[in-house]
Amino acid sequence: KAGVTQTPRYLIKTRGQQVTLSCSPISGHRSVSWYQQTPGQGLQFLFEYFSETQRNKGNFPGRFSGRQFSNSRSEMNVSTLELGDSALYLCASSLVINNEQYFGPGTRLTVT
Amino acid sequence: GESVGLHLPTLSVQEGDNSIINCAYSNSASDYFIWYKQESGKGPQFIIDIRSNMDKRQGQRVTVLLNKTVKHLSLQIAATQPGDSAVYFCAETSGNTPLVFGKGTRLSVIA
Repeated sequence: KAGVTQTPRYLIKTRGQQVTLSCSPISGHRSVSWYQQTPGQGLQFLFEYFSETQRNKGNFPGRFSGRQFSNSRSEMNVSTLELGDSALYLCASSLVINNEQYFGPGTRLTVT
Repeated sequence: GESVGLHLPTLSVQEGDNSIINCAYSNSASDYFIWYKQESGKGPQFIIDIRSNMDKRQGQRVTVLLNKTVKHLSLQIAATQPGDSAVYFCAETSGNTPLVFGKGTRLSVIA
């Protein structure tokens, strides 16, 4: 069974631009969560989707948004990029909420 | 808010020895705990989980211990190998709340 895939793997953007990251969960998994990982803050929760509905949202500004499609694939968008948004963005999927989560390799975003 | 923490940020062990990675959690309502391993350039990899109705769970070369009285979680790795070198995270959740991750412990295996 294929694991969680994320595209693109690497991305370089300029301040003020916007970016869209994509995540394809493990087949059959209906829950997708997004995390931001930085050396200073560690792994921080962004949002969680289940059956196309956002179930939980972390403490991030409104510039961070996401959605989930009917096939469980998910995207997250960051608008008006700031230097501090440079991070590894990780997606994780699970069968249901509050269950073991399997992570993708992440998208490394660099904002210059 | 409450968060998961770790006692030791770095741990160096000799190859073949056992490793113990500790984690303290503060949310007494947490009922599900997971240990993850993250190697350089990769996403976290699920190792083992435990629910609050258990105090011990064993996997292949790994054991997780949960002490709810003192809100402490540990990961034991038997016969540590060079391939075990990575950063290890504990994570907790309760009900439908998101996973809260600790800061991580770097395990370095000395050959």
